[in-house]
Amino acid sequence: DVKVTQSSRYLVKRTGEKVFLECVQDMDHENMFWYRQDPGLGLRLIYFSYDVKMKEKGDIPEGYSVSREKKERFSLILESASTNQTSMYLCASTIFRGNNQPQHFGDGTRLSIL
Amino acid sequence: GESVGLHLPTLSVQEGDNSIINCAYSNSASDYFIWYKQESGKGPQFIIDIRSNMDKRQGQRVTVLLNKTVKHLSLQIAATQPGDSAVYFCAERSNDYKLSFGAGTTVTVRA
Repeated sequence: DVKVTQSSRYLVKRTGEKVFLECVQDMDHENMFWYRQDPGLGLRLIYFSYDVKMKEKGDIPEGYSVSREKKERFSLILESASTNQTSMYLCASTIFRGNNQPQHFGDGTRLSIL
Repeated sequence: GESVGLHLPTLSVQEGDNSIINCAYSNSASDYFIWYKQESGKGPQFIIDIRSNMDKRQGQRVTVLLNKTVKHLSLQIAATQPGDSAVYFCAERSNDYKLSFGAGTTVTVRA
């Protein structure tokens, strides 16, 4: 089975801090994704990456950046955290572009910005 | 832009009955659809998928139906169990990478 691991289940940070959320997958997947999940809004795509050192903006990239230095690891960075970034963050991966395979998700990081 | 929506935000089902969860999508170019289940405190878990060249696919106790004419997707759960209580999402893929998700239907199973 695919294993997507997010480093923290719960995280509390302060406004203005730089925050790192880490995600690791163990199935040599090429594509990795970061979403945020908010009540009534579903999952919204922040950034995705289809290869090492490659990144693409999703639907709501403002206030975020990402890093993919190794194939198995995809990091989400909040450059200067704000209270409207309090949310559940979900990482996902899938094998390669265009295939008919589902994205596999981690269990999420619930981030609170005070 | 495209949107994926579920018809009802909540569904209450008697244990042992069949459940039907509905989803409408708007992008006729979408070629791949997925149903996910999300339990409290966990990430979405893949249940079943279907390609646009099919209209029905069955798994263990679950069936997905796709009606491209009216852009409608449904998930049927047979003999619903307490462990089926969760939020269910449909997702559509309209390009190589990105999925669009509905807001979810919360299914509650009554004993």
